[in-house]
Amino acid sequence: GAVVSQHPSRVICKSGTSVKIECRSLDFQATTMFWYRQFPKQSLMLMATSNEGSKATYEQGVEKDKFLINHASLTLSTLTVTSAHPEDSSFYICSATRTSINEQFFGPGTRLTVL
Amino acid sequence: DAKTTQPPSMDCAEGRAANLPCNHSTISGNEYVYWYRQIHSQGPQYIIHGLKNNETNEMASLIITEDRKSSTLILPHATLRDTAVYYCIVRVALAGTASKLTFGTGTRLQVTL
Repeated sequence: GAVVSQHPSRVICKSGTSVKIECRSLDFQATTMFWYRQFPKQSLMLMATSNEGSKATYEQGVEKDKFLINHASLTLSTLTVTSAHPEDSSFYICSATRTSINEQFFGPGTRLTVL
Repeated sequence: DAKTTQPPSMDCAEGRAANLPCNHSTISGNEYVYWYRQIHSQGPQYIIHGLKNNETNEMASLIITEDRKSSTLILPHATLRDTAVYYCIVRVALAGTASKLTFGTGTRLQVTL
């Protein structure tokens, strides 16, 4: 199956700093990637849809200026949590879409802890 | 995308079949039924999907009722490693497009010795 990686797998940062999370499709090109957030004991919530070469589409209630998404190539999308606060602590998961078959493949997730 | 309803939790003895139900009474004719699972602190893993015919792969079987309003995921011989949250999702799956997945609360399957 298709492989999607995320880096880092775990990050701890101080309040007020910015954190960048990378999502890579390793063996296929993904014109569309999705970013999800998951709080403890809750389901995955879609944050935004990232399309290569264009601006991301954010779900209602997600601050686009706080969660910056860049999809500069067909194999890489980045999510930057700006001025992180403890309430941003969560499990962030990306998925990459193999558009030819409209299938999503998920990364292993990044656990962010903001102190 | 159509909404799905799943029981919040189920138990299954190791070696026995796990049958996970899903209701999707408002499913549209062009929507597929997908199943994913999420093992603790990992990303979701694709299991199987189908439109109206029953499907089987190396992981599981998917049984969809004739009216397509419900389905059952069957893990034929559950092991401890199958302990996870299982999500049933219905979505349109047109090749050449990228449609988002909407996750519900899923079913937490606990496989026990």
